[in-house]
Amino acid sequence: QVQLVESGGGVVQPGRSLRLSCAASGLTFGSSAMTWVRQGPGKGLEWVALISNDGTIKYYADSVKGRFAISRDNSKNTLYLEMNSLTTEDTAVYYCARGTGWYYFDFWGQGTLVSVSS
Amino acid sequence: SYVLTQSPSVSVAPGQTASISCGGDNIGTKSVHWYQQKPGQAPVLVVYDDSDWPSGIPERFSGSNSGDAATLTISRVEAGDEADYYCQVWDNKSDHPGVFGGGTKLTVL
Repeated sequence: QVQLVESGGGVVQPGRSLRLSCAASGLTFGSSAMTWVRQGPGKGLEWVALISNDGTIKYYADSVKGRFAISRDNSKNTLYLEMNSLTTEDTAVYYCARGTGWYYFDFWGQGTLVSVSS
Repeated sequence: SYVLTQSPSVSVAPGQTASISCGGDNIGTKSVHWYQQKPGQAPVLVVYDDSDWPSGIPERFSGSNSGDAATLTISRVEAGDEADYYCQVWDNKSDHPGVFGGGTKLTVL
């Protein structure tokens, strides 16, 4: 079955950087668009970024553009999110998910918590 | 950027029908997708492309989309349906195309 396992979350100070990873199995990773979605404490879902199957096309939410970078390594079946200049507003559970069609998100990981605090 | 509007909460008795709406400008021209999220869990896709079901989702969940509103309908509501529900579209005319609604808390009385 499809498994998406996020890692790399933790506590980080404002202004610092963090890299999240999402290890995929049970799907044809190289044929799948992938996305990051986050959820702040007590808040709703917020789409963050999406990358095409071959990594050539990337989209970002306005709230993270210029600070976050989505990437992937198809040889390792792994998705990444490089987060820079973090603020307290970036505190959230970060989920990775597969993007299908144009686009909806049909398989999700369990999430990794990022807490930005001094 | 595109905005999706959901009512914060809906309440329904077991066995009844719940309707959860998602408003957006001319949303009927877009494909709408719906997710269920229970506390402490990841979201689960329950309806995609307005009215299709992923494998494993009961047909009690159905969707429609027209004009400025999309609707998720849950028939014969069960206690286990109590959750937050989010609508989502991909606005390919935007530089920031992924959009979620604010979510609706479904309470089963």
